[in-house]
Amino acid sequence: GAVVSQHPSRVICKSGTSVKIECRSLDFQATTMFWYRQFPKQSLMLMATSNEGSKATYEQGVEKDKFLINHASLTLSTLTVTSAHPEDSSFYICSATQGFSQPQHFGDGTRLSIL
Amino acid sequence: QQQVKQSPQSLIVQKGGISIINCAYENTAFDYFPWYQQFPGKGPALLIAIRPDVSEKKEGRFTISFNKSAKQFSLHIMDSQPGDSATYFCAASKGSSNTGKLIFGQGTTLQVKP
Repeated sequence: GAVVSQHPSRVICKSGTSVKIECRSLDFQATTMFWYRQFPKQSLMLMATSNEGSKATYEQGVEKDKFLINHASLTLSTLTVTSAHPEDSSFYICSATQGFSQPQHFGDGTRLSIL
Repeated sequence: QQQVKQSPQSLIVQKGGISIINCAYENTAFDYFPWYQQFPGKGPALLIAIRPDVSEKKEGRFTISFNKSAKQFSLHIMDSQPGDSATYFCAASKGSSNTGKLIFGQGTTLQVKP
């Protein structure tokens, strides 16, 4: 149980394009989803927290107009990297939880490479 | 005060040995302490977690020891196997809040030699 699916697993695109990443909870309803960014050999850095039907809460230093998050249903959240540039290249990982005091379950990440 | 400090950064253990990874925190409001295992190119997977009302939790070969007064907790992997080679992250959160944000440690890369 508690499977989180992330798609795509890898994307390579040109600078200036926008990229959408999907995060789905397959066998549970996720009241809260989180988006993280991870650079090579580093820890996970929380970018934003999203609750179904509400605006996402962004961490300090994360540009909300660049990283658009939508959590339209209890099983789907999307992260759109707008006008991506090489410095946005990273490993993006989502997680989902059923709510209060419930563990976070992570997707397998999306490797984003901007040329 | 939001940080979780993890050590060592890397660890090499012989097969069958005990791997020990330590974490320390400052924020006494933290009340949920999970450990995650991450393989290259994959997302973290929850291994085991503990709350401050117990001093130890064991699941198979994995044990968390928790010292509330010292604000420290550690992961012990007994009978370490080559398949345990991965990066391990400790984390902490105020689990009873409605955000449940995890604060991650810096990670420990474990290599178990055959």
